[in-house]
Amino acid sequence: EVQLVESGGGLVQPGRSLKLSCAASGFTFSNYYMAWVRQAPKKGLEWVATISTSGTTTYYPDSVRGRFTISRDNANSSLYLQMNSLKSEDTATYYCARRKTVAAVWDYWGQGVMVTVSS
Amino acid sequence: DIQMTQSPASLSASLGDTVSLECLADGAISTYLMWYQQKPGRSPQLLIFGTSNLQDGVPSRFSGSGSGTQYSLRISGVQPEDEGVYFCQQGYKYPLTFGSGTKLEIK
Repeated sequence: EVQLVESGGGLVQPGRSLKLSCAASGFTFSNYYMAWVRQAPKKGLEWVATISTSGTTTYYPDSVRGRFTISRDNANSSLYLQMNSLKSEDTATYYCARRKTVAAVWDYWGQGVMVTVSS
Repeated sequence: DIQMTQSPASLSASLGDTVSLECLADGAISTYLMWYQQKPGRSPQLLIFGTSNLQDGVPSRFSGSGSGTQYSLRISGVQPEDEGVYFCQQGYKYPLTFGSGTKLEIK
């Protein structure tokens, strides 16, 4: 059974950093692109980052480029999101998601982890 | 960026009704259109990819269609468990973008 379990969320002050983790199991992690998608409270979904199977290629929207870094550890089936210079508008539930073999389709999602940016 | 506009914002249906949810892209997306369902307090689940391909395990009452910039999700014979918010997403061009969602209530 595919499982994605996020951790590392919490309350952080504006301008500070936080690192999220996602532990994957039930599939060959190194064979799949992975992504982070977030959802602000009572709002819609926003794609945050995608990483290739080897980790050499990454993609970000303008809203987080230069502040967030997605990375992975294939040996330990783990995905990460390093978030720097956090802003109040980064407050959201962050989901780890597996990309289906078809491009830009996410077939499994974690349960999400809440990040609150507030002083 | 490609903007995705969903309509209606909310919809109320009776058990067994057939409903259609619409998604409009403001640019060509070449059928790279996905639909996700999100139930309250849960993470999104993939229903349909590539406009009309049903994800494994998704009931056949769900179907998708469309081309160009106009796409739709049809639920034939809604069930109580279909209550939730439905999001469309384009996978044609970065940044990948979602619609704002259609909230489906079952009366």
